[in-house]
Amino acid sequence: GEDVEQSLFLSVREGDSSVINCTYTDSSSTYLYWYKQEPGAGLQLLTYIFSNMDMKQDQRLTVLLNKKDKHLSLRIADTQTGDSAIYFCAETPPTGANNLFFGTGTRLTVIP
Amino acid sequence: DTGVSQNPRHKITKRGQNVTFRCDPISEHNRLYWYRQTLGQGPEFLTYFQNEAQLEKSRLLSDRFSAERPKGSFSTLEIQRTEQGDSAMYLCASSLSGAEGYTFGSGTRLTVV
Repeated sequence: GEDVEQSLFLSVREGDSSVINCTYTDSSSTYLYWYKQEPGAGLQLLTYIFSNMDMKQDQRLTVLLNKKDKHLSLRIADTQTGDSAIYFCAETPPTGANNLFFGTGTRLTVIP
Repeated sequence: DTGVSQNPRHKITKRGQNVTFRCDPISEHNRLYWYRQTLGQGPEFLTYFQNEAQLEKSRLLSDRFSAERPKGSFSTLEIQRTEQGDSAMYLCASSLSGAEGYTFGSGTRLTVV
């Protein structure tokens, strides 16, 4: 089955860049997503990338996709305390099914 | 439209009781999803509706779980004979085409005591 892996924790200083990494197993995934979850809240879609792209930038967010290594990363420039949250990557399954497979999430802590 | 709305936000129930959660998706979204999230984990897919048709169900959706979307708008998720292992956050999401990602609600946190 699909297996999306992320490191559990990341701490950065305010103003530095954060890089959150994700590896996935299904090379036929068509879309890959990054979601943010703040305490007690649902998930907020941050950005997504189509599998035929290798980079996407959206303001402070940069997504890099390495299909050969099945590696996805999210870079947050000029990290702010409001960026402290859990970040999930997710992939679409190969079968054309309509659900997403999520990683276990990376808890980002921004130190003032 | 204020996004995806879920009620109640929290539910505490005794083991063996039945519970029902409601989800109101974004009005123009024809796709609706239910996920379950336990502590320290990512969301796990439960079921998917396109309009009123339930098109996919996860093996996590045991026979104690039933979901409906009778008119293709709001949806309900019922859990019968709750067990302590059902304690989790139940998340609803909706989308228009799926490819652009989902909009999630804030979830219903279920605690079975």
